[in-house]
Amino acid sequence: DVKVTQSSRYLVKRTGEKVFLECVQDMDHENMFWYRQDPGLGLRLIYFSYDVKMKEKGDIPEGYSVSREKKERFSLILESASTNQTSMYLCASREPGEGSNQPQHFGDGTRLSIL
Amino acid sequence: AQSVTQPDIHITVSEGASLELRCNYSYGATPYLFWYVQSPGQGLQLLLKYFSGDTLVQGIKGFEAEFKRSQSSFNLRKPSVHWSDAAEYFCAVDGGAQKLVFGQGTRLTINP
Repeated sequence: DVKVTQSSRYLVKRTGEKVFLECVQDMDHENMFWYRQDPGLGLRLIYFSYDVKMKEKGDIPEGYSVSREKKERFSLILESASTNQTSMYLCASREPGEGSNQPQHFGDGTRLSIL
Repeated sequence: AQSVTQPDIHITVSEGASLELRCNYSYGATPYLFWYVQSPGQGLQLLLKYFSGDTLVQGIKGFEAEFKRSQSSFNLRKPSVHWSDAAEYFCAVDGGAQKLVFGQGTRLTINP
C-alpha cells in the first residue's frame, strides 16, 4: 500500500511566522500535490510537482511556496502566515499514467491554526 | 474549465437504507472520474474510478457508481448503508495536466 505521511496532524502558529508543512511518500511517485480543504469549498490545489526541483502553481498559490529537493519529499511553505491560511492541508502523490488515470493517494492531513 | 458539482451538501439516511450521492461534471472529452471518501480526521481514500468501458463501476466497501454521459453525471450508490459509512464524500474529475478537480463534498450522516 502507498503510504503518504504528513509530519504533523495539528499545528498552531502565529501570524507572520514562516511555516513548513512536510510530506513524504514511500512509493517513488513522481507527482506530488498540496491541497487545502475548507468547509463548503472542497479541496483546492495549491501547488504540485512533476519531479524533483519541478513545481507548478495550482489554483490558489498566493501566499505559499513549495520545495521538492528529493523525490519522496514535498514541502509546503507559508512565507508569512496569516489568519486566512487557517485550514486543513492535504498532501497527495500519484504515479504517472495515461492522462490522469492513476488515482492520487492522500496523507491524513495537517490541521493548521494561525493565531 | 473542468468543474464538478455535488448538489447535496449534507444527506441523512437510516442504517440499512439505500444511498445515492449525486455528482455532475463539466468536461469536453471523455472524463476520468473518481469518488473519494474522508472519514473524520483522516485523509481521502479512493472508493472507485472510471476511465472508459463499462459505465457501471464497482468500488470498495460495497459502493458502485454509474457514468452517464448524456447527463454528465457520475452518481455514487450503495444498496444498504452501515453506520461506518458516515463520512464526507468527494467526487473528482481529471482536470488535465495530471490534476484533479474536486466537488465541494457531501457529508453523510447515518441514523441508527
